[in-house]
Amino acid sequence: DAGITQSPRHKVTETGTPVTLRCHQTENHRYMYWYRQDPGHGLRLIHYSYGVKDTDKGEVSDGYSVSRSKTEDFLLTLESATSSQTSVYFCAIGGDLSASTDTQYFGPGTRLTVL
Amino acid sequence: AQKVTQAQTEISVVEKEDVTLDCVYETRDTTYYLFWYKQPPSGELVFLIRRNSFDEQNEISGRYSWNFQKSTSSFNFTITASQVVDSAVYFCALLNAGNNRKLIWGLGTSLAVNP
Repeated sequence: DAGITQSPRHKVTETGTPVTLRCHQTENHRYMYWYRQDPGHGLRLIHYSYGVKDTDKGEVSDGYSVSRSKTEDFLLTLESATSSQTSVYFCAIGGDLSASTDTQYFGPGTRLTVL
Repeated sequence: AQKVTQAQTEISVVEKEDVTLDCVYETRDTTYYLFWYKQPPSGELVFLIRRNSFDEQNEISGRYSWNFQKSTSSFNFTITASQVVDSAVYFCALLNAGNNRKLIWGLGTSLAVNP
């Protein structure tokens, strides 16, 4: 199994509060991703990173920001959480087609509830 | 347009039956990758297989087999002699080589294997 952890695994917060989710990898992969999973929508990409301090937006990036100051850590921040951001958040690593690591491996997920 | 369609939303079978999960994809690229992931009730996303567009050879892994046909843009997944532990949501995904490593996901097929 790929060495990916997410913290926290569960979080309940209130509307308007900031929230930061952390993804940590021990595989030294260049690429890291944040997805959200919602019923009826499947998995949707929020942001991704292709190196330290190199990030780009996915299809549902509004209301989210990311940071990657170290290869092993990719942070997802909800600046002011809203109820529509209640979801399960997955981090993934891999996907570098220049190497053989073109498969994305997923973390265990974080269940976020915004009241 | 890039798209992945999993037309079967839910499938229910009795243990030991064979079951095929359909995946149809759309892409204009000649180089692409197809994936299957499993999401059991516990919620994690488990990588099952990756197939390159230039390799149409079918693959078998134990009770699992995959049929890749470029002529019909399909990458179907068959479970032989299904077991209760196969109950999960299965996702098909497409990655174009030039698409910034962004996976295009199907909405998943929920498989229930009943004893």
